Amino acid sequence: AQSVTQLGSHVSVSEGALVLLRCNYSSSVPPYLFWYVQYPNQGLQLLLKYTTGATLVKGINGFEAEFKKSETSFHLTKPSAHMSDAAEYFCAVSDGNNRLAFGKGNQVVVIP
Amino acid sequence: KAGVTQTPRYLIKTRGQQVTLSCSPISGHRSVSWYQQTPGQGLQFLFEYFSETQRNKGNFPGRFSGRQFSNSRSEMNVSTLELGDSALYLCASSTGTGRGADTQYFGPGTRLTVL
Repeated sequence: AQSVTQLGSHVSVSEGALVLLRCNYSSSVPPYLFWYVQYPNQGLQLLLKYTTGATLVKGINGFEAEFKKSETSFHLTKPSAHMSDAAEYFCAVSDGNNRLAFGKGNQVVVIP
Repeated sequence: KAGVTQTPRYLIKTRGQQVTLSCSPISGHRSVSWYQQTPGQGLQFLFEYFSETQRNKGNFPGRFSGRQFSNSRSEMNVSTLELGDSALYLCASSTGTGRGADTQYFGPGTRLTVL
């Protein structure tokens, strides 16, 4: 069964600093990988996804992630944090059956 | 296109009761998935319906059930509610044809509180 590990439930970052959220996955088949963001009292919004092809994926709001098969990783980055980036971020993996397995999430706090 | 809608947004029930939650997917989407979100267990997959058939199922007891109608709208039902069923229940829709590569679009969720 596929699974995702996200370390560090709370991540604090200064406004303007690099945002780095780590995601490692386990999958017995080539994975499809996703990053979602959740704002308070809302559902999940897709930031970006990797299916096939280019391993560096660009998403919305300046986020990007790189799929590294050798490291089984799909880390999310943004060069410069903005106050509006404060939210919870989830990495998820699908093994092809349209069923997502999520990590525990990272609560991002942006310090002015 | 309108997004995924879920009703009601908030529910309060007591132990032993049953509850039905509703989800209307994005127009044209044939797949509806349900997830449970709790602080302790995080986001967990309940089940997926595609063209009125349950296609995938997570590891939840039989008290959790669902169905999908011909217009792709879906309902999930929880019978004999327990305190531990208190959670945010999220519905997601997708085309269902992408073999797992589909983007799932999430609704705002139904917050269920069991007293």
